[in-house]
Parts: sequence; C-alpha cells; structure tokens
Amino acid sequence: QVDLVQSGGGVVQPGTSLRLSCVTSGFAFSNYTMHWVRQAPGKGLEWVALISDDGRNMLAASPLKGRLRISRNNSKNTLYLYLNSLTVDDTAVYYCARPRGERSLKFYLDSWGQGTHVTVSS
Amino acid sequence: QSVLTQPPSVSAAPGQRVTISCSGNNFNIGKNYVSWYRHVPGTAPTLLIYGNDDRVSGIPDRFSGSKSGTSATLDITGLQSGDEGDYYCATWDNGLNVGVFGGGTKVTVV
Repeated sequence: QVDLVQSGGGVVQPGTSLRLSCVTSGFAFSNYTMHWVRQAPGKGLEWVALISDDGRNMLAASPLKGRLRISRNNSKNTLYLYLNSLTVDDTAVYYCARPRGERSLKFYLDSWGQGTHVTVSS
Repeated sequence: QSVLTQPPSVSAAPGQRVTISCSGNNFNIGKNYVSWYRHVPGTAPTLLIYGNDDRVSGIPDRFSGSKSGTSATLDITGLQSGDEGDYYCATWDNGLNVGVFGGGTKVTVV
C-alpha cells in the first residue's frame, strides 16, 4: 500500500523558514520523481516544485525560486521542502505527491500525502 | 490567474451531465498530456484521468476526458451527489518549465 505521511508546518512568523517532510512507504521511492503542490485558502491547486529520482535535478515555480529548496533522502524514503523568507502569501496546505509510473516524466500525480497546513502570521 | 482556464462552477441535477472545459496554449496543453483531479476540501486530491483520456483504475466510466488542440474537457455523466467537489485540469508547461493547474471548477449537484 502506497503511503505518504507528511509532517512539519504549523504557525510560523513572517520572515522565518520552515521544513516540511514527507515519509513514504509501499513503493520504490528512489525510482520516482517527487512533487510538492500547495493550495492557499480560497485558491486553487498550485504546483510548487519537483525533484528527480536521484535528487540531482530540481524545478520550482517561478514565484518561489530563490526561497525554496527541495531535497530527498532515498535511504530514508523521505522528501523534504525547505522554504525561507516566508510571507503571508505562503499560507497554504502543502501536499507531497508521487507521479504515476516509475521513472516517469509525465505530470500525473496519483498518490498524495494528507497535506500539512502552514500559516504565516505574526 | 491560472495558466489553464476553467469555468469557476458548473451544476446540474442528479443523473444529468456536466462538461468542464480547460483552455491552455501551445506551450502546455498543445504539447503535453492533460490530467484531471477531483479535490474535496480537507482531503488529498484524487487523480481521475491521465494521458488526456485514460481513466484511473476504479474511476467509473461516467468520467471521461478528451483533448483537442489547446483545450481539454472532462465529462461527467449520470451525475451523483457524491461527485460534488472541485475539479482541476493539469499539465506541464514547456515554456515556463513548470507544472500548471487550472483554476478549478466547483461541481454542484442541484
């Protein structure tokens, strides 16, 4: 059974940093590109970033470039998202997601974490 | 605004049909496969359709997807109250080199 369990988040102050984690099980994590997606209150889904299966390549949404780092530990089957210089616009539910198919470059996300709430507020 | 354009809402009576459109351009839908998701607030999104028109195993055949040029469509027939939720199209954008979602369409069964 594929499982993605997220942790991290909560209420954080503007200007600070956060780390979100996504611990996976039930599949060969090291064979999958992984993604982060977020949803701000009252808004739609927004793609955040991806990291290749070997961790060597990353892509991020333009508004977040420079403030975001995505990494993974394939020995721990864990995905991470680091976001710094947080603003109120980063308030959202953040999801980690796995695409359909090993070593696939297709943007079909068929397994998702439960979501973690991040609220940026003073 | 979202790169992909969807109607904000659609509604129909039980048993009826709804069609959700998703409009993009030659960098995204025109060049790549489209997927569709259903999202009920407070839960994780669910992949319904991938590869423009392939249904995920377990998704009823009442759900069907199609693509033509730079637009895609999700059809839901035999609408049921359990189909309510927010529906999103998604694809890759080769010009921006990012994943893109539509703005979402709220489906209401009236």
